[in-house]
Amino acid sequence: GIQVEQSPPDLILQEGANSTLRCNFSDSVNNLQWFHQNPWGQLINLFYIPSGTKQNGRLSATTVATERYSLLYISSSQTTDSGVYFCAVKTSYDKVIFGPGTSLSVIP
Amino acid sequence: GAVVSQHPSWVICKSGTSVKIECRSLDFQATTMFWYRQFPKQSLMLMATSNEGSKATYEQGVEKDKFLINHASLTLSTLTVTSAHPEDSSFYICSARDLLSLKTSTDTQYFGPGTRLTVL
Repeated sequence: GIQVEQSPPDLILQEGANSTLRCNFSDSVNNLQWFHQNPWGQLINLFYIPSGTKQNGRLSATTVATERYSLLYISSSQTTDSGVYFCAVKTSYDKVIFGPGTSLSVIP
Repeated sequence: GAVVSQHPSWVICKSGTSVKIECRSLDFQATTMFWYRQFPKQSLMLMATSNEGSKATYEQGVEKDKFLINHASLTLSTLTVTSAHPEDSSFYICSARDLLSLKTSTDTQYFGPGTRLTVL
C-alpha cells in the first residue's frame, strides 16, 4: 500500500520562528489534507491541497503531486501552534492514510 | 458548518463490558463515515469504513466481531467495542465525508473530537 512519511518527527521552535514541515508519499493520490491535532486530540483541517499552493494567514501549503510531496509552512510561530501536524492522503481505493505526524513545540 | 460530534467524549469501563460510541454529522449528510484508532503518541490508523445502509468494510487486522459498526442513517454511525479489554484502551476518532462535497472537487472529510476509552 501507499507509504506516507513526514519530517521532521519532532520540532522545537522559539516563538516567532518559521518552519517547514514535509510530507512524502509513495504513490499518486487523489487528494491530500494537512491537519493540526491540538493537545485535546481534536483534529483541525488546515488545508485540502491535492496540488498547488494555498495560504491561510500565517500558514501556507504547497503540494507537488508529480514529485509526490507536500510542504506546510508556518511563519511567525506562536505557542498556540504547538501540537501534532499530520498529512493525510486519499488513495484510489478511497481510503485516507495518515502520516506519522510532526510534533511541534513552540516555546516562548 | 461541517460539524461532526462524538459521544461520549470519554468513557471508563470494566474489562468484559461493551461500549458504544456515536458519531453524528450535525449539519450535513454523510453516506460514508470512517473510524480511526489512535494510540498515545502514534498516528491515526483506519479501522473501518462505514457506509449508510450496508455492511462496514474493515481494515486488515481489525476484528469485525469485536468492533461492531452500524450506519443506520445519513447522519449517524456507531462503533461498539464488545467485551472490551485493557488493550482496547485508545482514542477513537470518527470522520464523515460530506455527501455534497462529492459533487465538487473537494471531497473533504470532517473529523469528530474523538472518544477516549479506558478499560480497567
